[in-house]
Amino acid sequence: EDQVTQSPEALRLQEGESSSLNCSYTVSGLRGLFWYRQDPGKGPEFLFTLYSAGEEKEKERLKATLTKKESFLHITAPKPEDSATYLCAVQGMIGAGGTSYGKLTFGQGTILTVHP
Amino acid sequence: DAMVIQNPRYQVTQFGKPVTLSCSQTLNHNVMYWYQQKSSQAPKLLFHYYDKDFNNEADTPDNFQSRRPNTSFCFLDIRSPGLGDAAMYLCATGDGVGQPQHFGDGTRLSIL
Repeated sequence: EDQVTQSPEALRLQEGESSSLNCSYTVSGLRGLFWYRQDPGKGPEFLFTLYSAGEEKEKERLKATLTKKESFLHITAPKPEDSATYLCAVQGMIGAGGTSYGKLTFGQGTILTVHP
Repeated sequence: DAMVIQNPRYQVTQFGKPVTLSCSQTLNHNVMYWYQQKSSQAPKLLFHYYDKDFNNEADTPDNFQSRRPNTSFCFLDIRSPGLGDAAMYLCATGDGVGQPQHFGDGTRLSIL
């Protein structure tokens, strides 16, 4: 069974204070690791897909990296508008019932608060 | 803009009274998913459609059903809602393995 654990559960930063969020995973044949941002009362917003160890993706103040066991989301000089819940999800080889149509297994998320 | 639209955004129903949530997409994706997300928890997959092929998760209660009349629309039916079914219901679309899923803004379901 695919599993995803995110840490910390909550992170409070001052504006401009860089940090990293962690996503540890176990999966039967990784087909993709996905990072999403979720604002209160909204659906998850897609950020990045990573496919293999060593891969990196960047978007504005965010950078995602991947190893064989974990992924990091680095936030450089965050701003208050970066405050949100960040979700990590994996997609493995086999879904329920032996079919695999892209089922995602999510972690619990990290609640990021950036204070001005 | 291509997107995933869920209606209504908020739904209140009575204990045991059937309710239907709807989802439409303009992305023309083959796969449509329904997730349940309770407060401060991870989204949990209920079922998905690949075209007209329905796939139920093993632990999805029988109380939950789904219909996909065409590529663009998908419905979630809860036949007899219980208090434990109060949650955010998220619809997502995707092109399958290795591709990201794109989510709607969800329907917040409350049970009286």
